[in-house]
Amino acid sequence: NAGVTQTPKFQVLKTGQSMTLQCAQDMNHEYMSWYRQDPGMGLRLIHYSVGAGITDQGEVPNGYNVSRSTTEDFPLRLLSAAPSQTSVYFCASRDRVTDTQYFGPGTRLTVL
Amino acid sequence: EDQVTQSPEALRLQEGESSSLNCSYTVSGLRGLFWYRQDPGKGPEFLFTLYSAGEEKEKERLKATLTKKESFLHITAPKPEDSATYLCAVGQPGNTGKLIFGQGTTLQVKP
Repeated sequence: NAGVTQTPKFQVLKTGQSMTLQCAQDMNHEYMSWYRQDPGMGLRLIHYSVGAGITDQGEVPNGYNVSRSTTEDFPLRLLSAAPSQTSVYFCASRDRVTDTQYFGPGTRLTVL
Repeated sequence: EDQVTQSPEALRLQEGESSSLNCSYTVSGLRGLFWYRQDPGKGPEFLFTLYSAGEEKEKERLKATLTKKESFLHITAPKPEDSATYLCAVGQPGNTGKLIFGQGTTLQVKP
């Protein structure tokens, strides 16, 4: 039972490049989400999904795309990276019975 | 507007010196108050969930309490390994699972 896994762990992009941050969970949780963490800002919700085929926007969705084709995977796409997207990104999945959200180890992204 | 504020931003304690971290919140309908621990370079690790005013939960040297407007994380006789950033989050109404996080309190416990 690996829990929530994220790849890559580190990434450097140039402005305008695109990339996908991968997230997978093996706990059969319906709910998954993406947060970004910036100094002094706390974690902010980007997008979330309440099940396969269902996604919705969080607090800071601009510049990011998501899709949910399976229960296990919830990738986050940056279509055209900007320096403002330099951050640490965390994926989480939620146990609906206990309300507990389990976080992945994070991806540290730098956009030059 | 839903909001979560944690204080202090940083706290330095001597080993064995007990203290409390504060999390104050304003939310239209609380669906749980959550405490997480985060070590440098790692993801948040779940500690507690509280749902009702007056509720308390304990784990080793940590005890979390909840009132209608705030939560406290009490640390009794801390050890250096308790050094971490402690995050508080409130669940928003409905079954969306959306959380609003505070900025965190960074705790350093010196031997």
